[in-house]
Amino acid sequence: SAVISQKPSRDICQRGTSLTIQCQVDSQVTMMFWYRQQPGQSLTLIATANQGSEATYESGFVIDKFPISRPNLTFSTLTVSNMSPEDSSIYLCSVGTSGGAGAQYFGAGTRLSVL
Amino acid sequence: AQSVTQLDSQVPVFEEAPVELRCNYSSSVSVYLFWYVQYPNQGLQLLLKYLSGSTLVESINGFEAEFNKSQTSFHLRKPSVHISDTAEYFCAVSEAIAGGTSYGKLTFGQGTILTVHP
Repeated sequence: SAVISQKPSRDICQRGTSLTIQCQVDSQVTMMFWYRQQPGQSLTLIATANQGSEATYESGFVIDKFPISRPNLTFSTLTVSNMSPEDSSIYLCSVGTSGGAGAQYFGAGTRLSVL
Repeated sequence: AQSVTQLDSQVPVFEEAPVELRCNYSSSVSVYLFWYVQYPNQGLQLLLKYLSGSTLVESINGFEAEFNKSQTSFHLRKPSVHISDTAEYFCAVSEAIAGGTSYGKLTFGQGTILTVHP
């Protein structure tokens, strides 16, 4: 398994501002993923971030709203741009295991509240 | 595309009683199956996974799940629960592709909140 650190763990932001969430892994991984967990709901994949290529966004998520960087094999950032109260969620980073056998390991998440 | 249905949103149970959390999936291709657990105010932890081989998989803390291809189910069971098992449990699938790899995208069920009462 991998150890995944996410920062910040929580934040309260004003609408119209942006927040960048960092995800650091203790080993090199090919696949990194960003999920959103809205209050009382399950996880929804925002995008897949592979090093050396543009992030692939799922339906309903766009790069202008959720820009992602993946500068190397151990780090990624997700920015939530021009926030509104509807963006209040838990944002989770996960990494795919070597060999790509589907299992993923998750960070503790970033709890975001937008006022 | 895949979908996952967790049939119970909440399961209350008394300590030391058995429990089953139900999960059914739909997919036109082969899948890998997972159970994750989320304790209050924490991230997700992988509980167990089915990739291939024996259809019965076990976790280190006494949970087990059985892959039933004909019923497209992956129910989670524990013969005797503890207070510390109180958490939300998520069933998830990912598409299995040739060579034992996958695209890695997980589709999650809606979650089942297990509450263990003394």
